[in-house]
Amino acid sequence: DIVMTQAPLSVSVTPGESASISCRSSKSLLHSNGITYVYWYLQKPGKSPQLLIYRMSNLASGVPDRFSGSGSETDFTLKISRVEAEDVGIYYCGQLLENPPTFGAGTKLELK
Amino acid sequence: EVQLVESGGGLVQPGRSLKLSCAASGFTFSNYGMAWVCQAPTKGLEWVASISTGGGNTYYRDSVKGRFTISRDNAKNTLYLQMDSLRSEDTATYYCARVDNNRRGFDYWGQGVMVTVSS
Repeated sequence: DIVMTQAPLSVSVTPGESASISCRSSKSLLHSNGITYVYWYLQKPGKSPQLLIYRMSNLASGVPDRFSGSGSETDFTLKISRVEAEDVGIYYCGQLLENPPTFGAGTKLELK
Repeated sequence: EVQLVESGGGLVQPGRSLKLSCAASGFTFSNYGMAWVCQAPTKGLEWVASISTGGGNTYYRDSVKGRFTISRDNAKNTLYLQMDSLRSEDTATYYCARVDNNRRGFDYWGQGVMVTVSS
């Protein structure tokens, strides 16, 4: 199985500042078709996960453009510009290159 | 509006069975693959099983193979998870999720249903 490793486990951010969350995969997530199958999800407190970013850098429907995704074949970054109170929660990276789909352990974002 | 509503959870003894349902609305259910993803208390997300649009292809994580069965009824717009021989480690919140056809992720999730396996 592909292992997804996130860092840090938690991050504390001042509202209005930016935050970055890292994720590393145990094998390349770059398919031969040129698409990198890494995803980012946010689970707000007491809620279900929601899709933020798909295929490494594409914003899901309805997600503010303060969120962006980038990376290489095995190293990925979620950046949140101008953090707001509604961004609090646990961020998970995940992969869909191959079965089984796997997720990182999560990064908790809190406000200072 | 896409909606996924799970039901069927509860407290069950080890070794017993439970069947979860996920009622879908707001989209053409038969056009999408579906999945179950679980989350043990205070833990992260773990994929459980997936099913293709017509139900002919199913996939399971190793720990549930032979015990869980994913299925769907496209006429009823409903996804199921039959859970047999339950173990304490199956205790979790179970989410049904829509699988985008072009691997754009698990793009919609239900509110989740809690399954507790305990004597």
